[in-house]
Amino acid sequence: DQQVKQNSPSLSVQEGRISILNCDYTNSMFDYFLWYKKYPAEGPTFLISISSIKDKNEDGRFTVFLNKSAKHLSLHIVPSQPGDSAVYFCAATRGWNNDMRFGAGTRLTVKP
Amino acid sequence: DTGVSQNPRHKITKRGQNVTFRCDPISEHNRLYWYRQTLGQGPEFLTYFQNEAQLEKSRLLSDRFSAERPKGSFSTLEIQRTEQGDSAMYLCASSLAYLEQYFGPGTRLTVT
Repeated sequence: DQQVKQNSPSLSVQEGRISILNCDYTNSMFDYFLWYKKYPAEGPTFLISISSIKDKNEDGRFTVFLNKSAKHLSLHIVPSQPGDSAVYFCAATRGWNNDMRFGAGTRLTVKP
Repeated sequence: DTGVSQNPRHKITKRGQNVTFRCDPISEHNRLYWYRQTLGQGPEFLTYFQNEAQLEKSRLLSDRFSAERPKGSFSTLEIQRTEQGDSAMYLCASSLAYLEQYFGPGTRLTVT
């Protein structure tokens, strides 16, 4: 069963603009959420995380927002850069670092 | 390079053969995870170890799959009597407990 869903397989934005990647989940027991970035021929790289006790976490150009009532989170990248072009995976877990459930990914393309 | 390494990077095998993959985690990491990723999907959790103890196995891990982590260092994932449905990218990740997982580049398995 798909407990974590990323409904947009791809997103294209202009350099300097905001990129918004969305993720929905169904399991209310999830209490940690993570975003990973993946370049071709490499494994996923951790980007940012958020605990369910927060609704926002920021790290430089990356901000994750969590809406628990809607079971929805989003990743904002501002400003977007061409080097951000990659596949972004949303993941969720019960208890930090137990098995993670991943979404199918969104391919972000940032055009110069 | 002190990241997670996986060998081989690519493996082509005939249906019915056995294959074994190796993962070398970051040296101080006590947790090691195996995931499987198929085209267009996110990684799916298979199993994880804390030191040498295998603490959790997904129902995806059929009897043909076995994983070991002798002495709590490197790990091996063996698939017996491979089937075409086993074709996928097999990802290994490691972490210190309660911190983010670091992924290796993966082993791509093709079963012909």
